Amino acid sequence: GQNIDQPTEMTATEGAIVQINCTYQTSGFNGLFWYQQHAGEAPTFLSYNVLDGLEEKGRFSSFLSRSKGYSYLLLKELQMKDSASYLCAVRDRNSNYQLIWGAGTKLIIKP
Amino acid sequence: NAGVTQTPKFRILKIGQSMTLQCTQDMNHNYMYWYRQDPGMGLKLIYYSVGAGITDKGEVPNGYNVSRSTTEDFPLRLELAAPSQTSVYFCASRDQGAVGNQPQHFGDGTRLSIL
Repeated sequence: GQNIDQPTEMTATEGAIVQINCTYQTSGFNGLFWYQQHAGEAPTFLSYNVLDGLEEKGRFSSFLSRSKGYSYLLLKELQMKDSASYLCAVRDRNSNYQLIWGAGTKLIIKP
Repeated sequence: NAGVTQTPKFRILKIGQSMTLQCTQDMNHNYMYWYRQDPGMGLKLIYYSVGAGITDKGEVPNGYNVSRSTTEDFPLRLELAAPSQTSVYFCASRDQGAVGNQPQHFGDGTRLSIL
């Protein structure tokens, strides 16, 4: 079957760095997405990984290791506006290439 | 571009009532999706469509129906509302793309309570 695990909640300090992990089990891996979702709002796209390695986009970076079924989202120079939930989603060939979503990690930024 | 527009934003239904959640997009995307999001759970796919006239069931289709008569519109129908359908519903769309890396774009959601 398919399973995606993320920590439920994390706390970090403004200006610091935080790493949000995502592990997955699927036999039909075809790409991994990270989304940000502020409370009461829609998810918005952050990053996409399909090959092993690091993708950098400004303050945000995402890493993928397909052999380990593991990804992380790295947020640098944290700002109060980064307080949100971060959703990991895996595209699965065995589910007609649809996305399987993790429950999300709620990130709380403290001053 | 308005992106993906969902209406209504909030709705309270009585058990057994029916309603249609509207979704329209102006990005000419072929792919459209309906998800529900419950507290502490990941997004669950209800139905999706790869183009006008084509719809497929997702992970949790029971109690729902969809249609896709145009590229722009993808309404979701609840025929006999049940308390278990209390949730936040998101519509999303994406471009087909050449390599499948196109992200989904989400509407603002419909918050539905069944009492």
